Amino acid sequence: DVKVTQSSRYLVKRTGEKVFLECVQDMDHENMFWYRQDPGLGLRLIYFSYDVKMKEKGDIPEGYSVSREKKERFSLILESASTNQTSMYLCASSLWGSHTEAFFGQGTRLTVV
Amino acid sequence: SQQGEEDPQALSIQEGENATMNCSYKTSINNLQWYRQNSGRGLVHLILIRSNEREKHSGRLRVTLDTSKKSSSLLITASRAADTASYFCATDASSQDSGAGSYQLTFGKGTKLSVIP
Repeated sequence: DVKVTQSSRYLVKRTGEKVFLECVQDMDHENMFWYRQDPGLGLRLIYFSYDVKMKEKGDIPEGYSVSREKKERFSLILESASTNQTSMYLCASSLWGSHTEAFFGQGTRLTVV
Repeated sequence: SQQGEEDPQALSIQEGENATMNCSYKTSINNLQWYRQNSGRGLVHLILIRSNEREKHSGRLRVTLDTSKKSSSLLITASRAADTASYFCATDASSQDSGAGSYQLTFGKGTKLSVIP
């Protein structure tokens, strides 16, 4: 079975902390994505990466950074967590090119207090 | 900005009825995809329709695409209680910055479907 694994299902962090959300895929996919999901707003793209060490900003990159040192791993970093970053975070991966489906992880529900 | 916009936001039907959800989008696309999300979980891919296709079937799912109207619909026939979930459309458009082969997948806000046994 293909798999996208996010390191935590639930996470509680304090305001101002540096937070790392990890995502690993075992499908040798080139593309990896980070989304956040909020009620009434759907999924919004934060960052995506199409190759190792390559990244592009999505619709809402402010307050976030990413790292892709290895093909299978894509990390989302909250440099200084704030309460408005409380959300469900979803990682996904897909093959290079169009006409390919994305595979999602189970999500990380982050609460910043 | 979000590309797709699903309609209705919520839909409640009886088991055995058909469910229709619509998606509208704004710009040219390579393809349109539909995903399903059970409560609190990740998304699961259902079906992909390319921009040069008009209709596609997969089991009880039927998807149509009208590129002139920039809209798509997802029909679930003979619904079951297990179909209760949120359904999202996603559009796949070329990334401007990273060259050929890199695509952004942009989702709408979703339709929450409840199928009552």
